[in-house]
Amino acid sequence: KAGVTQTPRYLIKTRGQQVTLSCSPISGHRSVSWYQQTPGQGLQFLFEYFSETQRNKGNFPGRFSGRQFSNSRSEMNVSTLELGDSALYLCASSLGDSNSPLHFGNGTRLTVT
Amino acid sequence: GENVEQHPSTLSVQEGDSAVIKCTYSDSASNYFPWYKQELGKRPQLIIDIRSNVGEKKDQRIAVTLNKTAKHFSLHITETQPEDSAVYFCAASWGAAGNKLTFGGGTRVLVKP
Repeated sequence: KAGVTQTPRYLIKTRGQQVTLSCSPISGHRSVSWYQQTPGQGLQFLFEYFSETQRNKGNFPGRFSGRQFSNSRSEMNVSTLELGDSALYLCASSLGDSNSPLHFGNGTRLTVT
Repeated sequence: GENVEQHPSTLSVQEGDSAVIKCTYSDSASNYFPWYKQELGKRPQLIIDIRSNVGEKKDQRIAVTLNKTAKHFSLHITETQPEDSAVYFCAASWGAAGNKLTFGGGTRVLVKP
């Protein structure tokens, strides 16, 4: 079974721009979650989507948004990029049942200059 | 919200010795506690998890213990090997809230040959 696939692997953007990251979950997984990983803040939860609906949301500003499509693929968008948005963005998929294990993708490394 | 603290932040052990990482959580409703291993430049990988109805779980050289009363859980690695060198993250989740993991700050483990 193919793992979680995230594209692109690397992105360099300028302050003020917007960016869209993509995640394809493991086949059969209906839940997709997004996490931000930085050296200073560690792994922080952004949001979770299940059956095309946002089921959970972390404490990030409204510039961070996401969506999920009917095939469970998910996208995350960050608008008006700030230098502090530079991070590794990890997507994780799961079956979606309560506390089903999360399987992470390799992440998208976003650098904002 | 949930808060997870992890100690120590770095751990250096001699090959063959044991390593112990401890985490405490704040929300007594949390009922799922996974551990992830992240090697340099790679994605976090689930190595073991435990649910609140179980006190201990073992998988070969890895074991996790949970003390619900004290709200802490620990990862034990026996007979450490150089390939155990990585950053380890504990996490906690409340199943009724979907799949939202709150992570500890991570422990960098170095196994010296």
